[in-house]
Amino acid sequence: DTEVTQTPKHLVMGMTNKKSLKCEQHMGHRAMYWYKQKAKKPPELMFVYSYEKLSINESVPSRFSPECPNSSLLNLHLHALQPEDSALYLCASSHAAGEFYNEQFFGPGTRLTVL
Amino acid sequence: AQSVTQLDSQVPVFEEAPVELRCNYSSSVSVYLFWYVQYPNQGLQLLLKYLSGSTLVKGINGFEAEFNKSQTSFHLRKPSVHISDTAEYFCAVSRTDSWGKLQFGAGTQVVVTP
Repeated sequence: DTEVTQTPKHLVMGMTNKKSLKCEQHMGHRAMYWYKQKAKKPPELMFVYSYEKLSINESVPSRFSPECPNSSLLNLHLHALQPEDSALYLCASSHAAGEFYNEQFFGPGTRLTVL
Repeated sequence: AQSVTQLDSQVPVFEEAPVELRCNYSSSVSVYLFWYVQYPNQGLQLLLKYLSGSTLVKGINGFEAEFNKSQTSFHLRKPSVHISDTAEYFCAVSRTDSWGKLQFGAGTQVVVTP
């Protein structure tokens, strides 16, 4: 299985809602990532987890809260978002630090719209 | 610091014609280099990667890229494109001393027409 899956595919939420994005991989990877991608732009790194611990936070606002319950799962909890947070949220996974190289495998993304 | 520059924001090309997408980078340390493709409304798919060794790298879907250390370039080529190659292409760089952080170029939109 060389796939990263993400649910839901689409999400529409109000600014007062709380929602979560889910990402799953079964490739035995120990590093998982969240990216945000605005239209016509490259992905921007948000968070990196290595061995279920948060290792990189790219100064992301606290209304985005990541969680890594186990080595296969990665969640992104959303609360009190702003319309400018509307974007495609991509999850990726790779071998962790100390492994041979850092090839990242991406999921299909969740298209988030904040009203 | 490092940077990745994709010189062309959009490349129109006719079906069965060759295409070259240019990528230049700057970095104070050694890097790994990647090309990803993103089809409309999808995630990113790895086309090919350069880690070390032969400077000519072959990838999926008939793409290849050449690493040129002196020119700090990693240009992507395909000798004959198909309509299905219409997509956004991203060059990305990862420092060898800083795993976990991929820096992407701005992207090149390839539009293939009959």
